[in-house]
Amino acid sequence: AQSVTQPDIHITVSEGASLELRCNYSYGATPYLFWYVQSPGQGLQLLLKYFSGDTLVQGIKGFEAEFKRSQSSFNLRKPSVHWSDAAEYFCAVRKRNRDDKIIFGKGTRLHILP
Amino acid sequence: DADVTQTPRNRITKTGKRIMLECSQTKGHDRMYWYRQDPGLGLRLIYYSFDVKDINKGEISDGYSVSRQAQAKFSLSLESAIPNQTALYFCATQEGILPYEQYFGPGTRLTVT
Repeated sequence: AQSVTQPDIHITVSEGASLELRCNYSYGATPYLFWYVQSPGQGLQLLLKYFSGDTLVQGIKGFEAEFKRSQSSFNLRKPSVHWSDAAEYFCAVRKRNRDDKIIFGKGTRLHILP
Repeated sequence: DADVTQTPRNRITKTGKRIMLECSQTKGHDRMYWYRQDPGLGLRLIYYSFDVKDINKGEISDGYSVSRQAQAKFSLSLESAIPNQTALYFCATQEGILPYEQYFGPGTRLTVT
């Protein structure tokens, strides 16, 4: 069965430091991949998505993610975090079939130290 | 204006009460979804609808029902609320083109006492 693992429940970084959030998936073929962000009291907003082509994907708010087929990973990165990046981040995957469902990871909560 | 709206945003209700959460969208998408979010569990799918006449159960549908009144409206009901249904509920729509991205409403925080 499909699954998504975000190994880090909480991550704390200092403002201005670089960030990497990990995501691994289990699926027999390359799925569509997404990263969503949920700010406090808000719904989920799409940061970026991968479905084909260049394996380094640029998103909003200065985020990027790299799809590595050999490692079944889709890690999210940002070179320099801002206090406003404090939020919960969800990795999600879906099969390449419109009728199938998105599977979400359990989330990583990012804390920013001033 | 938001593309996906949910009402109410917050609700406190008592055990045994019937409650309805409503979702409306202006994105023109056929597909709509209801999720619940619990701390540490991520999002879990309750029900989804491919169109007005096509409703499907998700992984945690017990204790819930839905109604798709129109393409733009998808309601979630708790027939007899219980405390372990206390959670954050999200409605989402799904676009019909690759890669079938989902768009989320702001959520309804439901507390059952």
